[in-house]
Amino acid sequence: GAVVSQHPSWVICKSGTSVKIECRSLDFQATTMFWYRQFPKQSLMLMATSNEGSKATYEQGVEKDKFLINHASLTLSTLTVTSAHPEDSSFYICSAMGTVNQPQHFGDGTRLSIL
Amino acid sequence: SQQGEEDPQALSIQEGENATMNCSYKTSINNLQWYRQNSGRGLVHLILIRSNEREKHSGRLRVTLDTSKKSSSLLITASRAADTASYFCATDGGGKLIFGQGTELSVKP
Repeated sequence: GAVVSQHPSWVICKSGTSVKIECRSLDFQATTMFWYRQFPKQSLMLMATSNEGSKATYEQGVEKDKFLINHASLTLSTLTVTSAHPEDSSFYICSAMGTVNQPQHFGDGTRLSIL
Repeated sequence: SQQGEEDPQALSIQEGENATMNCSYKTSINNLQWYRQNSGRGLVHLILIRSNEREKHSGRLRVTLDTSKKSSSLLITASRAADTASYFCATDGGGKLIFGQGTELSVKP
């Protein structure tokens, strides 16, 4: 089955640090990758949609300068949380999709804790 | 914004019983998908039902879709303790998934 690897799984860092999260599709080419944020006991909120070789499309209310997304190849997308603050602490999950109208395949998530 | 409403929010049953979760949505869709999430983990895709389908089966899972009522249901038969997880419906209206609030299922051995 389709496998998506997300790294790191857990990050604890000081306020003001920038944190990069990687999302890789291991056995298929992902034309589109998605980044979600999830608060405890809540659903997933889509942050942005990333297409290989083009700029990401951000959802309303998501700061593009705060959450930098790069999708440089068909198997890798990165999310960089710049100058992170405690309110950025959350569970971030990526997903990858090969073609439209097919299921998205999710990574295992990254728990980000900003002190 | 969230499109889906799921009920119940939480469901607790005994092993061997069936579990039914419902999902309602607001706009037209290409397909509807159900996902499972174990605590602190990513989502696992369970089943996808297209807008022109009414029912789909996969092992112990049965999904129905009623586009006239904009609703779907997920039935898990003969539940097991290992089915304990959160279950989310997600509607696909053009490549983006919009998730419901989820149902937290607890199956007691």
